Amino acid sequence: DIQMTQSPSSLSASVGDRVTITCRASQGISKYLAWIQQKPGKAPKSLIYAASSLQSGVPSKFSGSGSGTDFTLTISSLQPEDFATYYCQQYKTYPLTFGGGTRVEIK
Amino acid sequence: EVQLLESGGGLVEPGESLRLSCAASGFTFSSYAMSWVRQAPGKGLEWVSAIPSTGGSTYYADSVKGRFTISRDNSKNTLFLQMHSLRAEDTAVYYCAMESGSYLETFDYWGLGTLVTVSS
Repeated sequence: DIQMTQSPSSLSASVGDRVTITCRASQGISKYLAWIQQKPGKAPKSLIYAASSLQSGVPSKFSGSGSGTDFTLTISSLQPEDFATYYCQQYKTYPLTFGGGTRVEIK
Repeated sequence: EVQLLESGGGLVEPGESLRLSCAASGFTFSSYAMSWVRQAPGKGLEWVSAIPSTGGSTYYADSVKGRFTISRDNSKNTLFLQMHSLRAEDTAVYYCAMESGSYLETFDYWGLGTLVTVSS
């Protein structure tokens, strides 16, 4: 199975900050990497697919990069609605696997 | 508008069975692979099972293999998850998710989830 490791597991940031979350795959997954946002008590929402492509309706303050084993999610200017937990997920092969999540909290 | 509505969750005792359903609308259900993903209380997301658009092969996490069965009825736009021999560690919110293509694709849309609680 492909293991997905996210860092940090949590972070505190202020409104307007630039935030970067990293995700590492235990083996190469090309660009078969998605980023998913989940707010407390809510269903997950897909943000990015193919490592860097935005899902329809997702604002451009979100961006993704990377290929192979190392990936990043960047939020250019953190807004109150962005405080949530973010997961990376590989879809190169079954079983599909998620990172452990990064909780973004208000400083 | 894509809608995925899960149902069938509830409280069951260890060893019992439960069948979850996911009613899909707003897209051509028979053209897309579907998955079940679960989230235990206070924990992260865990993929459970997937089925391609045609319903041919099926795929499972090791944690549920042999106990859970995924299926779909393309004539009724409905996804199912039959769960047997339930354990306490199966307690979670179960989400159905629509993939972006017919096989092994990223998740485009998610349902709101249904809670399964396994406890005596």
